[in-house]
Amino acid sequence: QQQVKQSPQSLIVQKGGISIINCAYENTAFDYFPWYQQFPGKGPALLIAIRPDVSEKKEGRFTISFNKSAKQFSLHIMDSQPGDSATYFCAPNDSNSGYALNFGKGTSLLVTP
Amino acid sequence: GAVVSQHPSRVICKSGTSVKIECRSLDFQATTMFWYRQFPKQSLMLMATSNEGSKATYEQGVEKDKFLINHASLTLSTLTVTSAHPEDSSFYICSAAISTGGGYGYTFGSGTRLTVV
Repeated sequence: QQQVKQSPQSLIVQKGGISIINCAYENTAFDYFPWYQQFPGKGPALLIAIRPDVSEKKEGRFTISFNKSAKQFSLHIMDSQPGDSATYFCAPNDSNSGYALNFGKGTSLLVTP
Repeated sequence: GAVVSQHPSRVICKSGTSVKIECRSLDFQATTMFWYRQFPKQSLMLMATSNEGSKATYEQGVEKDKFLINHASLTLSTLTVTSAHPEDSSFYICSAAISTGGGYGYTFGSGTRLTVV
């Protein structure tokens, strides 16, 4: 069952540009909407997350936009840097369940100098 | 913050041998540990969920006799790949769910790159 759809699969952005990654979900029980960042050979690490009571959250250059009615949320990376080159996963979940995270297929981001 | 230490980071083994991967929670008690497998350029796929003191729950298509999971204590969970074959070569990652009072958070190990030759 494909509960999470992430796009695009890959993304190339010039340094200083804006990177945008999207995630669509189906389960209305989800109440926690995180983005994870994974570098090659490493485990994923939480980058930023949002709860459904707000439509946007900003942490430094990273912003999550959340659209509850459309069941979508997106990650915006402002002033993208080569060090942001990584794979990004969305993993919306029911935070009270304690169930394993169901990851999107991932977006490979390359920021060129 | 909560840290999960995963070892080894890389292992190469001969076909037919067994390999054990350990995940330790360093500063918290991990009641539940999840084991994922990740093939190159793909997402993390859940293999099994282990709860301390009980048998692991395996996802459909994952051979429980091949991927032995032990979660005998609140700070240690292990995954043993038995009779490894080249198709078992992959990146294995553990993750712990942590109750934060306002729901669950998740922390991940740094992964183990298994190469079976």
